[in-house]
Amino acid sequence: EAQVTQNPRYLITVTGKKLTVTCSQNMNHEYMSWYRQDPGLGLRQIYYSMNVEVTDKGDVPEGYKVSRKEKRNFPLILESPSPNQTSLYFCASRRLNTGELFFGEGSRLTVL
Amino acid sequence: SQELEQSPQSLIVQEGKNLTINCTSSKTLYGLYWYKQKYGEGLIFLMMLQKGGEEKSHEKITAKLDEKKQQSSLHITASQPSHAGIYLCGADDGASYDKVIFGPGTSLSVIP
Repeated sequence: EAQVTQNPRYLITVTGKKLTVTCSQNMNHEYMSWYRQDPGLGLRQIYYSMNVEVTDKGDVPEGYKVSRKEKRNFPLILESPSPNQTSLYFCASRRLNTGELFFGEGSRLTVL
Repeated sequence: SQELEQSPQSLIVQEGKNLTINCTSSKTLYGLYWYKQKYGEGLIFLMMLQKGGEEKSHEKITAKLDEKKQQSSLHITASQPSHAGIYLCGADDGASYDKVIFGPGTSLSVIP
């Protein structure tokens, strides 16, 4: 089954404690992206990757890091989380230059 | 950069009624996507439109892209409680494929 898998689905952490949200896709897609969704602000792109070892900033990259060492994986790293990073995070993938985004189930992060 | 607006912001309809959700772009749409999201969950792809005047249907949902490719509508016929959720339109941001932007969403409630 074609899917994008995120982990963890739910996480409560404290300010400053580094965390990683993993994302994996099994469709051999070149393009992967991270979004955060906040009430009233909609979905905003954090980072995206056009292929292995190619990453770029989206609209709200501050406080986040990503890496793309393998085609299937695109982890989101919060080096020093802060309460304003409390949000619902989505990973997505698609074939390069075409087609719809396939989304993961989302990861709800709370930073205290 | 391109922005998407959706109207209405929220909608409450009686089961069996028809409804329309609109998505308007500030620039020409190169690819327009409709997604449905159950509250707090992942996004489910509904349809993709690319050509001016294009219309697609899936079960009781029809989406259209106007000739000028700046506005799309999503029409649900004979709504059911299973149609409830948040409907988001998304679009490729300009001619590049590195970013998909999203509208703020339309919240739909269907009263049995």
